[in-house]
Amino acid sequence: AQKITQTQPGMFVQEKEAVTLDCTYDTSDPSYGLFWYKQPSSGEMIFLIYQGSYDQQNATEGRYSLNFQKARKSANLVISASQLGDSAMYFCAMREGDSYTGNQFYFGTGTSLTVIP
Amino acid sequence: GAVVSQHPSWVICKSGTSVKIECRSLDFQATTMFWYRQFPKQSLMLMATSNEGSKATYEQGVEKDKFLINHASLTLSTLTVTSAHPEDSSFYICSVEAPRRGNQPQHFGDGTRLSIL
Repeated sequence: AQKITQTQPGMFVQEKEAVTLDCTYDTSDPSYGLFWYKQPSSGEMIFLIYQGSYDQQNATEGRYSLNFQKARKSANLVISASQLGDSAMYFCAMREGDSYTGNQFYFGTGTSLTVIP
Repeated sequence: GAVVSQHPSWVICKSGTSVKIECRSLDFQATTMFWYRQFPKQSLMLMATSNEGSKATYEQGVEKDKFLINHASLTLSTLTVTSAHPEDSSFYICSVEAPRRGNQPQHFGDGTRLSIL
């Protein structure tokens, strides 16, 4: 079974609108971390946001927020007020185990986001 | 500033050439680094985990004699693609495991685009 599933190969959003990128995960480990990365066409991986499995509140970082629904095993990324520079590939990733024992990342297949002027 | 430096950014070479890619940790000593491979419009695939002072751990299906990894110091890991062929053309990304992990347990290099003619 896939550890991370991103079901949206491509998404379009109007500039200044909000967009949600879906991510579901599969683990039996009670301790895990969820991450979102942005990869523009230049290739670098840009860290956006992190959610720990024991965090009570949804993570937020500026225009990025993570809609964490633990029972559904989903960790959707919400980008508010989309900008043209948000056009990129977005990857959801998971680390199993706590921050001291787990170090391997599992990546989803990515979602290509295009922001339309 | 950059936490990880990866060089070169681009490599174009003839078939049969060996190519070395460097991954340097700039901000901290890294006992563990990771090497990923990414095909166009696909996800990152972990190739191997590089451990300072010991042999790398390769993922299933990755030829260790083809992709030589050396992690001789706490700040440098190298990936050598030996006798490269066109099918080795890809985007290679390294990452460095942060000492305290936290909400960003891996810091990524900017990647190397390898094209074998």
